[in-house]
Amino acid sequence: QVQLVESGGGLVKPGGSLRLSCAASGFTFSDYYMSWIRQAPGKGLEWVSYISSSSSYTNYADSVKGRFTISRDNAKNSLYLQMNSLRAEDTAVYYCARIYSSRTRTFDYWGQGTLVTVSS
Amino acid sequence: QPVLTQPPSASASLGASVTLTCTLSSGYSNYKVDWYQQRPGKGPRFVMRVGTGGIVGSKGDGIPDRFSVLGSGLNRYLTIKNIQEEDESDYHCGADHGSGSNFVGVFGGGTKLTVL
Repeated sequence: QVQLVESGGGLVKPGGSLRLSCAASGFTFSDYYMSWIRQAPGKGLEWVSYISSSSSYTNYADSVKGRFTISRDNAKNSLYLQMNSLRAEDTAVYYCARIYSSRTRTFDYWGQGTLVTVSS
Repeated sequence: QPVLTQPPSASASLGASVTLTCTLSSGYSNYKVDWYQQRPGKGPRFVMRVGTGGIVGSKGDGIPDRFSVLGSGLNRYLTIKNIQEEDESDYHCGADHGSGSNFVGVFGGGTKLTVL
């Protein structure tokens, strides 16, 4: 069965950095686009970024562009999110999600999330 | 890009039916929308995709037949019949905007469904 397990969250000071990881199993990771989506406490979902199956294409929400970098290692079945220059408003649970296909951009499987808290 | 609007809350009695609405902003009536269920403390779970012609593709894993969708104009609906306690969740609608490999994701604010 498809499993996505995020890790790497924690408490970080404003201006600091953090790297999130997502370990994928139960499917051929290298065949799928992947995405990060976040949810601030008590708020709705906010799409953060996506990466194509071969890392050729990426895109970011305006709120994180220039500060966050998405990457993947298909040999390790892993997705990453490097977060720099963190702000209080980046505090959220971060989910990795599989994208059904490059044409049908449904987030068909999600992980359980990892909490990032940005506070002094 | 489209804006998706959802009422913040809804409620229904055990065994009753409820319809949740996701409204696309003007000009996006041809967009398909995905519904996601998020139980308390859990990650979201894909329910199904809906366009103006109804369901697009298949339901998510384990989604019961009690869940159905319709689409009309700018509205995309998720109906749950014979509501059970386990249906008490936040329901989010989402869409993607863009062409080819350059797209962004957008979500509504979510609707919290309370089972009475």
